[in-house]
Amino acid sequence: SYELTQPPSVSVSPGQTASITCSGDKLGDKFVCWYQQKPGQSPVLVIYEDSKRPSGIPERLSGSNSGNTATLTISGTQAMDEADYYCQAWASSAALFGGGTKLTVL
Amino acid sequence: EVQLVESGGGLVQPGGSLRLSCAASGFTFSNYWMTWVRQAPGKGLEWVANIKQDGGEKYYVDSVKGRFTISRDNAKNSLYLQMNSLRAEDTAIYYCARCESSSWRFDPWGQGTLVTVSS
Repeated sequence: SYELTQPPSVSVSPGQTASITCSGDKLGDKFVCWYQQKPGQSPVLVIYEDSKRPSGIPERLSGSNSGNTATLTISGTQAMDEADYYCQAWASSAALFGGGTKLTVL
Repeated sequence: EVQLVESGGGLVQPGGSLRLSCAASGFTFSNYWMTWVRQAPGKGLEWVANIKQDGGEKYYVDSVKGRFTISRDNAKNSLYLQMNSLRAEDTAIYYCARCESSSWRFDPWGQGTLVTVSS
């Protein structure tokens, strides 16, 4: 079965760039979405179709997808970006989520 | 404002049943696929089921096939999840979300409803 793999945690200093990866077999052939979830809150879509941002999502969040890896990049990371991030793709009419990455802003 | 409000969660014994509801407002409900996603305590997100606009297509994660049924009532702008033969591992917050079929993204999500399966 298809799987999406994310690192459990990523740490970044305020103002620096954070990169969160999501890997899967030929993932670049699929569209990837990214969701942000803060403690006690529902997930929020932050990137869709690999690199598009919904309205209201800051430009410092960006996405890319190629080969076997999709990447969510947060430039100029702020304390408010501290959250869990999940990648998501589709395989055989089923939605799949990565295991999630906890982003810590130190 | 687009809004999704889940209800129906609670404590149920193993082997029991529960029906979740999701009330939609602020958009034309009948134009969208809808989905249920769950999150076990302290764990990640797991997609549960999808349903097409007219209810004619439904898809489930393997672990709930034969036990859960997704349905919708477009006249009532409501999505449902009938959960039978519940197991401890079904304990989770259950979220409903709108599914944008042009890109298959989940946006927005409801606030979730907690289902606890325990004796």
